[in-house]
Amino acid sequence: DAGITQSPRYKITETGRQVTLMCHQTWSHSYMFWYRQDLGHGLRLIYYSAAADITDKGEVPDGYVVSRSKTENFPLTLESATRSQTSVYFCACWPWTPGNTGELFFGEGSRLTVL
Amino acid sequence: DQQVKQNSPSLSVQEGRISILNCDYTNSMFDYFLWYKKYPAEGPTFLISISSIKDKNEDGRFTVFLNKSAKHLSLHIVPSQPGDSAVYFCAASRDGSSNTGKLIFGQGTTLQVKP
Repeated sequence: DAGITQSPRYKITETGRQVTLMCHQTWSHSYMFWYRQDLGHGLRLIYYSAAADITDKGEVPDGYVVSRSKTENFPLTLESATRSQTSVYFCACWPWTPGNTGELFFGEGSRLTVL
Repeated sequence: DQQVKQNSPSLSVQEGRISILNCDYTNSMFDYFLWYKKYPAEGPTFLISISSIKDKNEDGRFTVFLNKSAKHLSLHIVPSQPGDSAVYFCAASRDGSSNTGKLIFGQGTTLQVKP
């Protein structure tokens, strides 16, 4: 099916461990984003990418690393997980067309718990 | 500093009545505003948007109003249906010529529509 898929959907890890959340789109949209959702904060942008090999920081990038070697994949890595990174993570892509300003397509989310 | 604020964490309305969800923003450079809807265990989905050059946009039961002088927007749902029960996020972008699709989200308002 066409769309954007995230894996794993649920993950429990321990403080200090490395965790990678995967994001794959079946389209070829240039822009991809990682957001985290936390109670009281809504959705906050972690990193985004304008194209393969082009990434930039969002509002809350500390503790995260991204890469984008292929247009369709945008993995998010927590190099040394902390409890404060317990959250629900959403990947999104943006089918840029003239007049489309911000209508993103989101994945179903990855719920990460850091113990 | 929260640039987009949804000050009501929750709202409960009766089926058939009007639901009004509010959103305030602080950055006068925002030029496009969106509402997203989110069901549990799913990613947010785009609902409706409005450009800063307009003060109203309507799509079926959903209408968004923008008051730029007050830096305030609202989403009206008429009539409300039980299937509208979800979390609603207000979002804003400041694209202008850059047009990156980056969004700033509010904290979200949980709407419950009672049968």
